[in-house]
Amino acid sequence: GENVEQHPSTLSVQEGDSAVIKCTYSDSASNYFPWYKQELGKGPQLIIDIRSNVGEKKDQRIAVTLNKTAKHFSLHITETQPEDSAVYFCAASPTHRGSSNTGKLIFGQGTTLQVKP
Amino acid sequence: NAGVTQTPKFRILKIGQSMTLQCTQDMNHNYMYWYRQDPGMGLKLIYYSVGAGITDKGEVPNGYNVSRSTTEDFPLRLELAAPSQTSVYFCASSYSSGNSYEQYFGPGTRLTVT
Repeated sequence: GENVEQHPSTLSVQEGDSAVIKCTYSDSASNYFPWYKQELGKGPQLIIDIRSNVGEKKDQRIAVTLNKTAKHFSLHITETQPEDSAVYFCAASPTHRGSSNTGKLIFGQGTTLQVKP
Repeated sequence: NAGVTQTPKFRILKIGQSMTLQCTQDMNHNYMYWYRQDPGMGLKLIYYSVGAGITDKGEVPNGYNVSRSTTEDFPLRLELAAPSQTSVYFCASSYSSGNSYEQYFGPGTRLTVT
Protein backbone atom coordinates (compact mmCIF):
# COMPACT_ATOMS: atom_id res chain seq x y z
CA GLY A 1 0.00 0.00 0.00
CA GLU A 2 0.85 3.66 -0.10
CA ASN A 3 3.45 5.01 2.34
CA VAL A 4 4.16 8.71 2.87
CA GLU A 5 7.31 9.99 4.54
CA GLN A 6 7.53 13.63 5.71
CA HIS A 7 10.56 15.69 6.74
CA PRO A 8 11.55 17.47 8.86
CA SER A 9 9.53 16.61 11.95
CA THR A 10 10.19 20.06 13.44
CA LEU A 11 11.15 23.32 11.76
CA SER A 12 11.93 26.66 13.38
CA VAL A 13 12.30 29.82 11.28
CA GLN A 14 12.48 33.56 11.87
CA GLU A 15 9.49 35.63 10.88
CA GLY A 16 9.85 36.65 7.25
CA ASP A 17 11.99 33.67 6.29
CA SER A 18 10.83 30.84 4.03
CA ALA A 19 9.92 27.34 5.18
CA VAL A 20 10.06 24.16 3.13
CA ILE A 21 8.56 20.80 4.06
CA LYS A 22 9.19 17.72 1.94
CA CYS A 23 7.28 14.47 1.42
CA THR A 24 7.89 11.30 -0.54
CA TYR A 25 5.34 8.69 -1.50
CA SER A 26 5.66 5.10 -2.65
CA ASP A 27 2.62 4.35 -4.82
CA SER A 28 3.02 5.65 -8.37
CA ALA A 29 -0.77 5.33 -8.82
CA SER A 30 -1.40 8.13 -6.31
CA ASN A 31 -2.67 11.19 -8.14
CA TYR A 32 -3.78 13.72 -5.53
CA PHE A 33 -1.57 15.38 -2.92
CA PRO A 34 -3.09 17.74 -0.35
CA TRP A 35 -1.47 19.67 2.49
CA TYR A 36 -3.30 20.20 5.76
CA LYS A 37 -2.61 22.65 8.59
CA GLN A 38 -3.53 21.74 12.15
CA GLU A 39 -3.67 24.37 14.85
CA LEU A 40 -3.53 23.39 18.50
CA GLY A 41 -6.69 21.65 19.67
CA LYS A 42 -8.33 21.67 16.26
CA GLY A 43 -8.87 19.33 13.35
CA PRO A 44 -6.69 19.60 10.24
CA GLN A 45 -7.71 22.06 7.53
CA LEU A 46 -6.81 21.93 3.85
CA ILE A 47 -4.48 24.74 2.76
CA ILE A 48 -3.45 23.68 -0.74
CA ASP A 49 -3.53 20.62 -2.96
CA ILE A 50 -2.07 19.47 -6.25
CA ARG A 51 -2.97 16.83 -8.79
CA SER A 52 -0.54 14.58 -10.59
CA ASN A 53 -1.04 16.33 -13.93
CA VAL A 54 0.34 19.60 -12.50
CA GLY A 55 3.92 20.34 -11.47
CA GLU A 56 3.38 23.41 -9.33
CA LYS A 57 0.55 25.34 -7.73
CA LYS A 58 0.66 28.62 -5.85
CA ASP A 59 -1.77 30.43 -3.57
CA GLN A 60 -0.45 33.73 -2.20
CA ARG A 61 2.39 32.86 0.20
CA ILE A 62 2.13 29.10 -0.13
CA ALA A 63 3.12 26.88 -3.03
CA VAL A 64 3.35 23.17 -3.66
CA THR A 65 5.62 21.42 -6.15
CA LEU A 66 5.32 17.85 -7.38
CA ASN A 67 7.94 15.63 -9.00
CA LYS A 68 6.12 12.51 -10.19
CA THR A 69 9.26 10.83 -11.48
CA ALA A 70 10.98 11.07 -8.11
CA LYS A 71 7.69 10.62 -6.23
CA HIS A 72 8.13 13.60 -3.98
CA PHE A 73 6.27 16.83 -3.33
CA SER A 74 7.05 19.89 -1.23
CA LEU A 75 5.28 22.73 0.55
CA HIS A 76 6.86 26.18 0.38
CA ILE A 77 5.78 29.02 2.65
CA THR A 78 7.30 32.42 1.96
CA GLU A 79 7.39 35.48 4.22
CA THR A 80 6.42 33.40 7.22
CA GLN A 81 4.32 34.97 9.97
CA PRO A 82 3.75 33.89 13.59
CA GLU A 83 0.24 32.71 12.66
CA ASP A 84 1.83 30.16 10.32
CA SER A 85 3.00 28.29 13.43
CA ALA A 86 1.15 24.96 13.41
CA VAL A 87 1.54 21.31 12.48
CA TYR A 88 1.53 20.63 8.75
CA PHE A 89 0.63 17.29 7.18
CA CYS A 90 1.15 16.10 3.65
CA ALA A 91 -0.98 13.29 2.25
CA ALA A 92 -1.37 11.15 -0.84
CA SER A 93 -4.55 9.69 -2.26
CA PRO A 94 -3.94 6.28 -3.82
CA THR A 95 -6.17 5.36 -6.74
CA HIS A 96 -6.01 2.27 -8.82
CA ARG A 97 -7.16 1.51 -12.34
CA GLY A 98 -10.56 -0.06 -12.33
CA SER A 99 -11.44 1.19 -8.83
CA SER A 100 -13.52 4.20 -8.00
CA ASN A 101 -11.82 6.95 -6.05
CA THR A 102 -12.74 6.72 -2.38
CA GLY A 103 -10.94 9.89 -1.36
CA LYS A 104 -8.78 7.89 1.04
CA LEU A 105 -5.75 9.80 2.28
CA ILE A 106 -2.49 8.40 3.59
CA PHE A 107 -0.85 11.03 5.76
CA GLY A 108 2.76 11.82 6.52
CA GLN A 109 3.95 12.05 10.11
CA GLY A 110 3.59 15.82 10.34
CA THR A 111 5.93 18.81 10.70
CA THR A 112 5.71 21.21 13.62
CA LEU A 113 6.54 24.66 12.28
CA GLN A 114 7.51 27.40 14.70
CA VAL A 115 7.82 30.95 13.40
CA LYS A 116 9.73 33.16 15.81
CA PRO A 117 8.74 36.85 15.90
CA ASN B 1 -23.73 24.87 8.54
CA ALA B 2 -22.20 23.32 11.64
CA GLY B 3 -19.88 21.23 9.44
CA VAL B 4 -18.58 18.06 11.13
CA THR B 5 -19.46 17.64 14.79
CA GLN B 6 -18.05 15.03 17.17
CA THR B 7 -19.13 13.98 20.63
CA PRO B 8 -17.84 13.65 23.25
CA LYS B 9 -14.85 16.00 23.30
CA PHE B 10 -13.09 14.02 26.04
CA ARG B 11 -13.59 10.58 27.54
CA ILE B 12 -11.77 8.34 29.99
CA LEU B 13 -12.47 4.62 29.72
CA LYS B 14 -11.39 1.68 31.81
CA ILE B 15 -9.81 -1.31 30.08
CA GLY B 16 -12.50 -3.59 28.69
CA GLN B 17 -15.25 -0.98 28.58
CA SER B 18 -17.00 -0.08 25.36
CA MET B 19 -18.15 3.20 23.89
CA THR B 20 -19.34 4.87 20.71
CA LEU B 21 -17.80 8.02 19.30
CA GLN B 22 -20.41 10.04 17.46
CA CYS B 23 -19.86 11.92 14.21
CA THR B 24 -22.40 13.96 12.27
CA GLN B 25 -22.04 16.16 9.20
CA ASP B 26 -24.61 18.53 7.72
CA MET B 27 -22.97 19.16 4.36
CA ASN B 28 -24.64 16.24 2.56
CA HIS B 29 -21.23 14.68 1.94
CA ASN B 30 -21.32 11.08 0.80
CA TYR B 31 -17.81 10.14 1.95
CA MET B 32 -16.91 9.92 5.62
CA TYR B 33 -13.75 8.83 7.45
CA TRP B 34 -12.41 8.04 10.91
CA TYR B 35 -8.78 8.72 11.80
CA ARG B 36 -6.73 8.37 14.93
CA GLN B 37 -3.85 10.67 15.72
CA ASP B 38 -1.04 9.57 18.00
CA PRO B 39 1.80 11.96 18.96
CA GLY B 40 4.37 12.24 16.18
CA MET B 41 2.58 9.64 14.07
CA GLY B 42 0.31 11.65 11.84
CA LEU B 43 -3.23 10.52 11.14
CA LYS B 44 -4.05 6.88 10.50
CA LEU B 45 -7.24 5.90 8.69
CA ILE B 46 -9.39 3.50 10.74
CA TYR B 47 -12.52 3.07 8.61
CA TYR B 48 -14.21 4.93 5.82
CA SER B 49 -17.57 4.99 4.05
CA VAL B 50 -18.48 6.01 0.52
CA GLY B 51 -22.20 6.17 1.23
CA ALA B 52 -25.00 4.97 3.47
CA GLY B 53 -24.76 1.22 4.00
CA ILE B 54 -21.18 0.98 2.65
CA THR B 55 -18.11 0.83 4.89
CA ASP B 56 -14.57 -0.42 4.45
CA LYS B 57 -11.41 -0.88 6.50
CA GLY B 58 -8.58 1.60 6.49
CA GLU B 59 -5.00 1.21 7.72
CA VAL B 60 -5.71 0.39 11.39
CA PRO B 61 -9.22 -1.13 11.78
CA ASN B 62 -8.54 -3.72 14.51
CA GLY B 63 -10.52 -3.12 17.68
CA TYR B 64 -13.06 -0.83 16.01
CA ASN B 65 -16.38 -1.11 14.20
CA VAL B 66 -18.45 1.36 12.22
CA SER B 67 -21.88 1.65 10.69
CA ARG B 68 -23.42 4.12 8.23
CA SER B 69 -27.19 3.95 8.29
CA THR B 70 -27.68 7.57 7.16
CA THR B 71 -25.71 10.05 5.06
CA GLU B 72 -25.23 12.33 8.06
CA ASP B 73 -23.98 9.95 10.77
CA PHE B 74 -20.91 7.73 11.01
CA PRO B 75 -20.40 6.39 14.55
CA LEU B 76 -17.22 4.57 15.61
CA ARG B 77 -17.57 1.76 18.12
CA LEU B 78 -14.89 0.50 20.51
CA GLU B 79 -15.98 -2.83 21.95
CA LEU B 80 -13.21 -3.78 24.40
CA ALA B 81 -11.12 -0.72 25.12
CA ALA B 82 -7.36 -1.24 25.42
CA PRO B 83 -4.60 1.21 26.45
CA SER B 84 -3.33 1.11 22.84
CA GLN B 85 -6.54 2.88 21.81
CA THR B 86 -5.61 5.97 23.80
CA SER B 87 -5.51 8.61 21.08
CA VAL B 88 -7.24 11.60 19.54
CA TYR B 89 -9.94 10.55 17.09
CA PHE B 90 -10.99 12.68 14.15
CA CYS B 91 -13.98 12.25 11.90
CA ALA B 92 -13.95 13.80 8.44
CA SER B 93 -16.23 14.04 5.44
CA SER B 94 -15.86 14.90 1.78
CA TYR B 95 -17.95 15.25 -1.33
CA SER B 96 -17.10 12.89 -4.15
CA SER B 97 -16.31 14.95 -7.19
CA GLY B 98 -13.86 14.73 -10.05
CA ASN B 99 -12.48 18.11 -9.04
CA SER B 100 -12.73 18.14 -5.27
CA TYR B 101 -11.37 15.78 -2.67
CA GLU B 102 -11.16 18.18 0.27
CA GLN B 103 -11.83 16.51 3.59
CA TYR B 104 -13.51 18.52 6.33
CA PHE B 105 -12.48 17.49 9.82
CA GLY B 106 -14.33 17.62 13.10
CA PRO B 107 -12.73 19.02 16.28
CA GLY B 108 -11.72 15.59 17.57
CA THR B 109 -12.38 13.36 20.58
CA ARG B 110 -9.57 12.81 23.07
CA LEU B 111 -9.84 9.29 24.48
CA THR B 112 -7.81 7.89 27.36
CA VAL B 113 -7.98 4.19 28.28
CA THR B 114 -6.58 3.28 31.70
